[in-house]
Amino acid sequence: LAKTTQPISMDSYEGQEVNITCSHNNIATNDYITWYQQFPSQGPRFIIQGYKTKVTNEVASLFIPADRKSSTLSLPRVSLSDTAVYYCLVGVSNDYKLSFGAGTTVTVRA
Amino acid sequence: SAVISQKPSRDICQRGTSLTIQCQVDSQVTMMFWYRQQPGQSLTLIATANQGSEATYESGFVIDKFPISRPNLTFSTLTVSNMSPEDSSIYLCSVEDLVGANYGYTFGSGTRLTVV
Repeated sequence: LAKTTQPISMDSYEGQEVNITCSHNNIATNDYITWYQQFPSQGPRFIIQGYKTKVTNEVASLFIPADRKSSTLSLPRVSLSDTAVYYCLVGVSNDYKLSFGAGTTVTVRA
Repeated sequence: SAVISQKPSRDICQRGTSLTIQCQVDSQVTMMFWYRQQPGQSLTLIATANQGSEATYESGFVIDKFPISRPNLTFSTLTVSNMSPEDSSIYLCSVEDLVGANYGYTFGSGTRLTVV
């Protein structure tokens, strides 16, 4: 499994865009990039998944450069309720051995 | 996506006792997964539970300490045996799920265990 590196924490204010970059230098050809969000006292929740270029859904956007050695999760116009830990995972999409790194704690302030 | 019901949501237990955590899924799934999340830490996979076979444990986790049952395709239990304060953690079950067009994983809300 490719190792991932992401910032430990990020602070933001309501209405701002938050971009979290994850490094995965050893990503394999078949690996997908998946982001999960975890609120306190809840299990992680799937946010977005991509293989290359850009993916967008109702929650976030995922930007993946051509070399795929990093990816950036973009949360547009965050609110207080976006305060959570965000995990970047890299692996084959149906590989059950999910390996969670430390994650990025995003704190949104009023 | 799948809906997972996990019970209990929290418990405070005496050391030396055991606690069984239940995980119920609203659809049939081949594999169910159990994770541990220690205070302030990330998630660590404990074991994978397939229906009809013994669970597969990750390094550092053994069946005597964390026995798992998987009686059918929608249910699993994890028992934390002979507990000590070091077992105080959140325990989560998870299943592979189709989220939109993507393969991902859905998690239960977790069981917060405190051992005193």
